[in-house]
Amino acid sequence: AQTVTQSQPEMSVQEAETVTLSCTYDTSENNYYLFWYKQPPSRQMILVIRQEAYKQQNATENRFSVNFQKAAKSFSLKISDSQLGDTAMYFCASSIYSGNTPLVFGKGTRLSVIA
Amino acid sequence: DTGVSQNPRHKITKRGQNVTFRCDPISEHNRLYWYRQTLGQGPEFLTYFQNEAQLEKSRLLSDRFSAERPKGSFSTLEIQRTEQGDSAMYLCASKSGSGTNYGYTFGSGTRLTVV
Repeated sequence: AQTVTQSQPEMSVQEAETVTLSCTYDTSENNYYLFWYKQPPSRQMILVIRQEAYKQQNATENRFSVNFQKAAKSFSLKISDSQLGDTAMYFCASSIYSGNTPLVFGKGTRLSVIA
Repeated sequence: DTGVSQNPRHKITKRGQNVTFRCDPISEHNRLYWYRQTLGQGPEFLTYFQNEAQLEKSRLLSDRFSAERPKGSFSTLEIQRTEQGDSAMYLCASKSGSGTNYGYTFGSGTRLTVV
């Protein structure tokens, strides 16, 4: 069984600064995907970034990047140049590589970007 | 195609009543997932379909819950004899079963309040 743990219920960051959200996971699988999803208030969940476990290179998407440490089972999200629109709940999630299995989510981190 | 559509957006019902939610996935996505999200928590998996076949149900899906996906297109989630503990956001997600874009697309959810 997979588990995902987010140990920071809430975080805040000043606009234009950098913030890192933590995530650890546990799985017995060797091939899996890891995701960060963003859920703005009263809006739908959208994919921020995705990492394939077999890739050593950390994924990046514009201002968003991850630090994937496979041996430590750690998958943190770094947001650079934070913007007010980044205010949201952020969920870390994992899925087995087979393609059929559902996502397993952490409890989320509420990020507030302060002007 | 405008993404995953869920109806209604909000539903208030009295305890003991039956409710039904609908999800219209992205048309070329053959996999469809239902999740439940309570306040302050991450989404929890309920069930998923590949085309019209319901392939997996979680232990959260009690006998009062039933889901269908006739003809492999839209899906419905019915809750019979609702209880106050059923109050939550019900999320639907779909994904393609092939290709390199291993991403789940979420709908905006149906928020259920049982009074």
